[in-house]
Amino acid sequence: RKEVEQDPGPFNVPEGATVAFNCTYSNSASQSFFWYRQDCRKEPKLLMSVYSSGNEDGRFTAQLNRASQYISLLIRDSKLSDSATYLCVVNTPSFGNEKLTFGTGTRLTIIP
Amino acid sequence: EAGVTQFPSHSVIEKGQTVTLRCDPISGHDNLYWYRRVMGKEIKFLLHFVKESKQDESGMPNNRFLAERTGGTYSTLKVQPAELEDSGVYFCASSQEGTSRKTQYFGPGTRLLVL
Repeated sequence: RKEVEQDPGPFNVPEGATVAFNCTYSNSASQSFFWYRQDCRKEPKLLMSVYSSGNEDGRFTAQLNRASQYISLLIRDSKLSDSATYLCVVNTPSFGNEKLTFGTGTRLTIIP
Repeated sequence: EAGVTQFPSHSVIEKGQTVTLRCDPISGHDNLYWYRRVMGKEIKFLLHFVKESKQDESGMPNNRFLAERTGGTYSTLKVQPAELEDSGVYFCASSQEGTSRKTQYFGPGTRLLVL
């Protein structure tokens, strides 16, 4: 079983629609959670951190359920520029190491 | 502020050859990470430096891979001899010590193709 599992996608969504991504992680010792965005042939870039209380950044809302080990990302009023691969990322500290564990990513295409 | 830079952006080599990848982290970042994405797979951790010391190299595939960070600034990752399965994108990331959550900033990656 992979440490971080994501919806495989691809998601093809009309502009203006709402889209939700889900992710589960297997290591209950994980402490930090993130959504990264990766454009084609580019590096991953931090989209937002995910906090236990849930957090929002403009059109983006992230939720974390530690009991279920489940993370979600909601994008409202989607724009063409939202087309990218969204990576669910988990940090499980160990001996001072802050290595990130990535999901395979979910590819999103916003259709005009 | 300059971001993480990596060199070269692309490398095509033959099996058995040696390749050295370089990463320059964001100035002042003590933490430096190497990750790799092979085709069709997720990005995976290779190793972590804190300044010039290897904090964790549990993700290094085998002893054909050697990472260094002399002086605690830039880092190199050498693959010798390269094998076909080493093909992929090698990302470097850096983060600042002492900050909460320690956001990791990624470089553009080096695309390695071993023929």
